Amino acid sequence: QVRLVESGGGVVQPGRSLRLSCTASGFTFTNYGMHWVRQAPGKGLEWVAVLSHDGNNKFYADSVKGRFTISRDNSKNTLNLQMSSLRADDTAVYYCAKDMYSSSSQFLTSWGQGALVTVSS
Amino acid sequence: QSVLTQPPSVSAAPGQKVTISCSGSSSNIGNNYVSWYQQLPGTAPKLLIYDTDKRPSGIPDRFSGSKSGTSATLGITGLQTGDEADYYCATWETVLSANVLFGGGTRLTVL
Repeated sequence: QVRLVESGGGVVQPGRSLRLSCTASGFTFTNYGMHWVRQAPGKGLEWVAVLSHDGNNKFYADSVKGRFTISRDNSKNTLNLQMSSLRADDTAVYYCAKDMYSSSSQFLTSWGQGALVTVSS
Repeated sequence: QSVLTQPPSVSAAPGQKVTISCSGSSSNIGNNYVSWYQQLPGTAPKLLIYDTDKRPSGIPDRFSGSKSGTSATLGITGLQTGDEADYYCATWETVLSANVLFGGGTRLTVL
């Protein structure tokens, strides 16, 4: 059974950094692309970034490009999101999600429970 | 403001059928598959439809997807109170950037 567990959320001041992690189990992590998707309070889903199974191909939403970095450690079945220069509009629940394929698609077959990030002074 | 346009809300009675539209353009829906996600209150989204019209294992055939040109549609028949949720369409943006696009979401109320 696929399980994705996010960690690292919390309250952070504007301009500071925060690192989210997602620990995967129940599937062969190294075979699948992985995504981060966020949802601001009371708002819809916003895709953040995707990383291919081997870490060689990554894409970002324009809203986070240059500030966020997606990475993975296949030896530890872990996906990371390093967030810097955080702004108030980055406040959201951040979901880790598994792609249907090894590269990147819009088919996110499994999702974690989410980690809340609040950017506030 | 999402690039993919969905109605904010739809409603229907139990047992009835409802459709949710998702309108895009030639750079996204027009040239890519579409997926649909269901988000029940307080939970993470779940994949309902992929490849425009395919259902993952475990998704009942009451849920269906289709596409025509630059618009896609999610259909739900035999509505149940447990179907009350937010529904999101998604596709891939291939021209302007390599991004996953989500629609703004549609709140389904089963009266």
